[in-house]
Formats: sequence, C-alpha cells, structure tokens
Amino acid sequence: AQSVTQPDIHITVSEGASLELRCNYSYGATPYLFWYVQSPGQGLQLLLKYFSGDTLVQGIKGFEAEFKRSQSSFNLRKPSVHWSDAAEYFCAVGLMNYGGSQGNLIFGKGTKLSVKP
Amino acid sequence: KAGVTQTPRYLIKTRGQQVTLSCSPISGHRSVSWYQQTPGQGLQFLFEYFSETQRNKGNFPGRFSGRQFSNSRSEMNVSTLELGDSALYLCASSKTSSDEQFFGPGTRLTVL
Repeated sequence: AQSVTQPDIHITVSEGASLELRCNYSYGATPYLFWYVQSPGQGLQLLLKYFSGDTLVQGIKGFEAEFKRSQSSFNLRKPSVHWSDAAEYFCAVGLMNYGGSQGNLIFGKGTKLSVKP
Repeated sequence: KAGVTQTPRYLIKTRGQQVTLSCSPISGHRSVSWYQQTPGQGLQFLFEYFSETQRNKGNFPGRFSGRQFSNSRSEMNVSTLELGDSALYLCASSKTSSDEQFFGPGTRLTVL
C-alpha cells in the first residue's frame, strides 16, 4: 500500500540555522510529490511540488526539495530558518488512478518545527 | 484571486445529529477534494469530485457523503455523528484532478 513516512515528529532549530525535513514514500510508480505547511488553526499552504523533470525543485519562502528515486525520498531543505517558519510541515504523495486523477493525496504524519531565537 | 473558502469555520454538534459543510473552490477550479484531519490519524482523504462526479473515495463509512454542484461548489455531509468525527475538515481545489491542490482554512467540527 502507498504510504508516506516523516520520521521526525518534532524538530527544533535555531534561527538562522539550516533545516532539513525528511520524507520517504512507498509507491510503485513515480509519484507526484508535495510539501505543505500548516500554521496553527490554518489550512495547508503548498510550498513546492515535484511532477517530473529536474529533481531539485524550488518553492516559496526559500524552501527547496530534492527527489531521490533510489532512496524513495523527497527531503525539504532551507539554508537559513526564520522564526516565522515555525509550523507543521507535511509531505504528500499524489496518486494517479485509472482515470488520471490524483485527487487522492496521501499525507505523512507531519513534522512540527520549532525555531529558537 | 480569492482562495478556497469553507463555511462554517466552526461547528458544534451532538452525537446522532447530522452536519453539512460547504466548500467554494478557487474560480476556474473544477476538482474538489475533502480531507479529515485529526491528531491521531493525521490527514486522511475522504473523497474527490470533478465536474459533479465522485472520482475517488477514501476509506470512510457511508455516513460520510458529498456532492458537487454545477458551479463546482461542494458540500459534504456526515450523518449520525459520532464523537470520533470531531476533526478539522479540509477542502482543496485544483484546476483538474491532476493539478496541485489548494486548501481552504477548514471547518472545525466538534461533536459532544
């Protein structure tokens, strides 16, 4: 069965430090991959996506992610974290069904990021 | 461009009641998906609608149902509410079923 694993439930980094959030997926074909961020009481905001092509994708707010097929990973990175980045981050896989629909996103459990001043 | 809107934002119901949640997608988006978010189970897919047709359905009981109107607005209904239905219900829209999804702020449902 398809699944997404985010091994780190909670990460704390100092402001200005670099960040890497891990994501591994289990899916038979090449998936559509996403990272979303959720602030308390809010919906999900799309940070970046990978559909095909260049395996290093750039997103909003200075985030990037790299798709590594051999490791079934899609880790999220940011070179310098800002206090406003404190939130919960979700990795997701979009599945293609017979009809070509990827309306069904499979989400990881999320990684909560805290930022120390 | 207005984002995805969901109404109401907060709802309190008692066990056994039913509830209807509404979602208005971004203008021009024809696909609407619904998700349930709980602390224990995380984000789980409920169903997806495209052009008024349900295209995908998650593993939820028949008490959870939905529909989509010709203007792409969608509603989901939960009948015979249970305590475990307390959750944040998120709606997401996309241009087509193969495009990235944009999420609304959610409806927080509390079942007492």
